[in-house]
Amino acid sequence: QVQLVQSGAEVKKPGASVKVSCKASGYTFTSYDINWVRQATGRGLEWMAWMNPSSGSTACSQKFQGRVTMTRSASNSTAYMDLSSLQSEDTAVYYCARSKGPGAFDIWGQGTMVIVSS
Amino acid sequence: DIQMTQSPSSLSASVGDRVTITCRASQTISNYLHWYQQKPGKAPNLLIYAASSLQSGVPSRFSGSGSGTDFTLTISNLQPEDFATYYCQQNYSTPRTFGQGTKVEIK
Repeated sequence: QVQLVQSGAEVKKPGASVKVSCKASGYTFTSYDINWVRQATGRGLEWMAWMNPSSGSTACSQKFQGRVTMTRSASNSTAYMDLSSLQSEDTAVYYCARSKGPGAFDIWGQGTMVIVSS
Repeated sequence: DIQMTQSPSSLSASVGDRVTITCRASQTISNYLHWYQQKPGKAPNLLIYAASSLQSGVPSRFSGSGSGTDFTLTISNLQPEDFATYYCQQNYSTPRTFGQGTKVEIK
């Protein structure tokens, strides 16, 4: 079935980086965009960034510019999101989600908990 | 950035009730408005796309309407499994902003 499977939980120290993976299956990886959305505990959803796996084009929220890097491996049908200079405020669950153009996010990964703590 | 404002932030309702959640965009977004349901500890689930189209597998008691800046999600005949938090989202432009969420609780 169509699914996105994310990498496991991470604990990082302030100032470090984290790389979260999102493996697609059940569909053609390069035919849909991948978005990254995060959610701090008890808070709402926050869109972070978007990537077109076919072209490699990316866009991100101004809030994360300079800290987010998105890459992909078409051979492994996997997207990656690297967030640098982590602070405690970055502690959250990070989701990847599929979309097509301006379409809705119809498939979501299970989420990856990232804890930033000294 | 386009701001998405949902109301109410929370509501209490009973099984069988009809519930309406509204979402207002700070500028016109045509029909690039989508609704998601999220239960505790789970990823969001798409309910309605393009303002009024029901996602496959979603019960018909969920419906959406609106265009431009004002949108509505309606749940008719509220069921126990519908108690959750609901989010609207615009994909008209980046950043692809979400509303702050509406928590539907049991009365």
